[in-house]
Amino acid sequence: SQTIHQWPATLVQPVGSPLSLECTVEGTSNPNLYWYRQAAGRGLQLLFYSVGIGQISSEVPQNLSASRPQDRQFILSSKKLLLSDSGFYLCAWAPLAPSSYEQYFGPGTRLTVT
Amino acid sequence: DAKTTQPPSMDCAEGRAANLPCNHSTISGNEYVYWYRQIHSQGPQYIIHGLKNNETNEMASLIITEDRKSSTLILPHATLRDTAVYYCIVRSSGGSNYKLTFGKGTLLTVNP
Repeated sequence: SQTIHQWPATLVQPVGSPLSLECTVEGTSNPNLYWYRQAAGRGLQLLFYSVGIGQISSEVPQNLSASRPQDRQFILSSKKLLLSDSGFYLCAWAPLAPSSYEQYFGPGTRLTVT
Repeated sequence: DAKTTQPPSMDCAEGRAANLPCNHSTISGNEYVYWYRQIHSQGPQYIIHGLKNNETNEMASLIITEDRKSSTLILPHATLRDTAVYYCIVRSSGGSNYKLTFGKGTLLTVNP
């Protein structure tokens, strides 16, 4: 069966510090991968998605970036965090199927920027 | 993608059926209706999807009106663990990135 991992589960970082969140998927090949953010009291916002190694599409301009160095690894990064980067970060995967919008989400990382 | 409209909140008694409505009056012929839910502090969970026929799985049933302009997600015997925000999403089958746009959803509260 497929499993998605995210770490760390929680993170407190000062403004201006760098960020690296990692997501890995097991039990599937060539998945589509996604990063979402959910700010406190707000809906889910799609940040990045990837349909293959090295292929990243950005949905929202910001100081975050994403990379996919391996087929089942997706990394969210920032060189300098802002207060507004606080939120719940979710990674998701979807099978590379013709008509699948069944996305499977990880447990999330709760980031607090102080 | 067609826009969806859901009530912001609903209550349901434990053990009773929860019927969550979704309006998608501008849906087009190749667009599917997807339902997800998000329990507090967890990632969203896929529930069910359908095109025009009613669908049922181990979690819920999806009833789509004949004109496809609205649908209802039914949790037949709601439990306290079903308390969550439920998202109705309409998406076409085309493309290769399968992006989902989550709205504000309906907060379902199941009461004991």
